[in-house]
Amino acid sequence: AQSVAQPEDQVNVAEGNPLTVKCTYSVSGNPYLFWYVQYPNRGLQFLLKYITGDNLVKGSYGFEAEFNKSQTSFHLKKPSALVSDSALYFCAVRDAGYTNAGKSTFGDGTTLTVKP
Amino acid sequence: DAGVTQSPTHLIKTRGQHVTLRCSPISGHKSVSWYQQVLGQGPQFIFQYYEKEERGRGNFPDRFSARQFPNYSSELNVNALLLGDSALYLCASSPFGVDHGYTFGSGTRLTVV
Repeated sequence: AQSVAQPEDQVNVAEGNPLTVKCTYSVSGNPYLFWYVQYPNRGLQFLLKYITGDNLVKGSYGFEAEFNKSQTSFHLKKPSALVSDSALYFCAVRDAGYTNAGKSTFGDGTTLTVKP
Repeated sequence: DAGVTQSPTHLIKTRGQHVTLRCSPISGHKSVSWYQQVLGQGPQFIFQYYEKEERGRGNFPDRFSARQFPNYSSELNVNALLLGDSALYLCASSPFGVDHGYTFGSGTRLTVV
């Protein structure tokens, strides 16, 4: 079985400050990890992924995430938040042992609010 | 190049009715996955299809079914609708076997009354 936990329903930061959105996961094998962002009444947009290699992954819009195997975490970060970053963020995991790319498990999401 | 397109965008149905949702993947993407997103929750995996074959199924009742056509478009069918089926239904496409993130459509908002 695989699962994802996003421990914070809401994260509030001031514009220009660094932001972190937390994610922990559980899989039986090696993890493939993803972050997505969702704007109101829209589908999800892919931000970044960890498959293998460097633990620090860089993605779209200046976001990055750090894979920590010992802590089973994949926190999303950005050095300087923008008001336009305000949205709903989802972490997702898939067991690398799956032969298909379809069965990812998503967390329940974290609402990020960046205040001017 | 068009993204993932879903139709209709909104739908209102009565309990007990049947609904068909449609999805066209990105050109060149051969895999389509369906997810259900209930308000306040993350997307839940329903099905994945590739080359017209079901490649994965989530924990959904048999009232949910899907199929994929030769042009890789897909339909999700739900029979005997329940109030709890009200949700945003998302279609995602990906190149099968490649570990890219998905590209999602904007979804179909289904309301069951």
